[in-house]
Amino acid sequence: EAGVAQSPRYKIIEKRQSVAFWCNPISGHATLYWYQQILGQGPKLLIQFQNNGVVDDSQLPKDRFSAERLKGVDSTLKIQPAKLEDSAVYLCASTTVQGGGYEQYFGPGTRLTVT
Amino acid sequence: AQSVTQPDIHITVSEGASLELRCNYSYGATPYLFWYVQSPGQGLQLLLKYFSGDTLVQGIKGFEAEFKRSQSSFNLRKPSVHWSDAAEYFCAVGGSQGNLIFGKGTKLSVKP
Repeated sequence: EAGVAQSPRYKIIEKRQSVAFWCNPISGHATLYWYQQILGQGPKLLIQFQNNGVVDDSQLPKDRFSAERLKGVDSTLKIQPAKLEDSAVYLCASTTVQGGGYEQYFGPGTRLTVT
Repeated sequence: AQSVTQPDIHITVSEGASLELRCNYSYGATPYLFWYVQSPGQGLQLLLKYFSGDTLVQGIKGFEAEFKRSQSSFNLRKPSVHWSDAAEYFCAVGGSQGNLIFGKGTKLSVKP
């Protein structure tokens, strides 16, 4: 079974530029998560999708971050414009079960450096 | 609000020695608890999980954890550490919407 795929693995941009990350969850997984992991901290949830609907985006900085999950499969996370403090690893995860804190499978992450 | 505390930022143990990583959680109901490991440049891999039942859970790579409700703890243990166990370890609690709330992690170094 293929795991969660993410691309790119690394990205370096200047502040005020835009960037997009892509995630392909495990086949059949209805729930998809985007987490932000700043150096020295644990991952923090940005947004959670159930199929193509948003379950929780309360911690997503909506003035600069956006995410979509068209057709309930792949997802894209965008930052526009980027700030220095957005430097982090962006992790995508998926799971089969609706809610309840069930086991999540993580992708390798995208490491973003904003200069 | 749910939260997870990992009091040790960095721990160094000798290869072959025993290991215990501490985790305390704050959650109103019976928690779903997890331990993940993250090697450099890698994503998070699930070591073990607790949903209910036996409070001592076994995981992969020889790890185990014990849920203690009275102490709000879910400490991770391994009887004999291998050099390949060097990594960062994250404790997490399952949130009400199915998300995970992570601690800040404990970095494990292994001395030869």
